[in-house]
Amino acid sequence: AQRVTQPEKLLSVFKGAPVELKCNYSYSGSPELFWYVQYSRQRLQLLLRHISRESIKGFTADLNKGETSFHLKKPFAQEEDSAMYYCAPAAYSGAGSYQLTFGKGTKLSVIP
Amino acid sequence: NAGVTQTPKFRILKIGQSMTLQCTQDMNHNYMYWYRQDPGMGLKLIYYSVGAGITDKGEVPNGYNVSRSTTEDFPLRLELAAPSQTSVYFCASSSDRLRPSGANVLTFGAGSRLTVL
Repeated sequence: AQRVTQPEKLLSVFKGAPVELKCNYSYSGSPELFWYVQYSRQRLQLLLRHISRESIKGFTADLNKGETSFHLKKPFAQEEDSAMYYCAPAAYSGAGSYQLTFGKGTKLSVIP
Repeated sequence: NAGVTQTPKFRILKIGQSMTLQCTQDMNHNYMYWYRQDPGMGLKLIYYSVGAGITDKGEVPNGYNVSRSTTEDFPLRLELAAPSQTSVYFCASSSDRLRPSGANVLTFGAGSRLTVL
């Protein structure tokens, strides 16, 4: 069965401290991986995607196929990073299309 | 630019009642989705549509129905509401099928919080 695990419900860090939001997946094949974010009173939105190897708002995510992990990292947390973060693997569902599965989410709280 | 609009934002239903959650998008997106998010859980796909007149089941379709008569609208109908359907419902859309490149990402609505008592 396809599963995605975000082991931390809540993560609190001080401003300026490094952040690592963990995500582990259990999928057959090679899923594509995304991180979505929901800031307070805003809609769920894409933060970054693995395939683009991008850094968004200082966040990066490294895919470790051996550990089946896709942890989200930022070297120096800012107060505006406080939000809910969802890891979302996309698995092939046929006809050239992919379906997203969302983890339970981790609430990041950055303490001033 | 409204994006994806969901109504109502909040609703309380009694067991056995029925209702329709409305979702409309003004981006001319072909693909639309309904997710539910139970407390402390991730989003689960209920139904999706790849275009007007075409719908398909997601992971948790039981107790729901959908229709897609226009590109813009994708209503979700609950028949015989049950306490297990207490959840936050999210509608989303994408311009094309999701691709590994992530070129077509999901645009989400603000959510509809439904409580069944």
